[in-house]
Amino acid sequence: GDKVKQSPSALSLQEGTNSALRCNFSIAATTVQWFLQNPRGSLINLFYLVPGTKENGRLKSAFDSKESYSTLHIRDAQLEDSGTYFCAADSGGSNAKLTFGKGTKLSVKS
Amino acid sequence: EAAVTQSPRNKVAVTGGKVTLSCNQTNNHNNMYWYRQDTGHGLRLIHYSYGAGSTEKGDIPDGYKASRPSQENFSLILELATPSQTSVYFCASGGLGGQEQYFGPGTRLTVL
Repeated sequence: GDKVKQSPSALSLQEGTNSALRCNFSIAATTVQWFLQNPRGSLINLFYLVPGTKENGRLKSAFDSKESYSTLHIRDAQLEDSGTYFCAADSGGSNAKLTFGKGTKLSVKS
Repeated sequence: EAAVTQSPRNKVAVTGGKVTLSCNQTNNHNNMYWYRQDTGHGLRLIHYSYGAGSTEKGDIPDGYKASRPSQENFSLILELATPSQTSVYFCASGGLGGQEQYFGPGTRLTVL
């Protein structure tokens, strides 16, 4: 099965609303990264997390290594938030290999 | 700001031909990575490197070779390209274990 499972796979939001994306890990994740792939295909770094939480503007992310999950909360969604969100887990070691989820495709509508 | 560049950005190749994708980073990171992205699969790791002269197999290395001639440069080589290698390829760089990875803009490869 998938080592990093993202949910939901797709999501449609009305502008101004809030939502949460989730990643569950079946590997022993030590750090987590969240990316946004914009419509041009670029991967934009959103968060790099050790266990704990981080906040940046309307985005907030949490990583619980004991319960093996991470969340990304989007507050007051805007049109420019549209794209595909990926989480990726690193299970430690010097090579720092990332295992990616399959992504959540977010559409924000006016 | 981290800087990872890739060339070419788009490539059309013929089946059986040799393809080389290049990546350059100015972050002075030790680790570099090659991933491919296909619909329904997310990003999957092909090869990675700890530093100049080193290459390691990732999760899907078959049909690919890699070369790391310097700290800054990491190439992905398809000796005999096949249509199944049509994909978008991303290069990334990162520091030592557990540090953030930064991605290049991607190369769209089509093998006819």
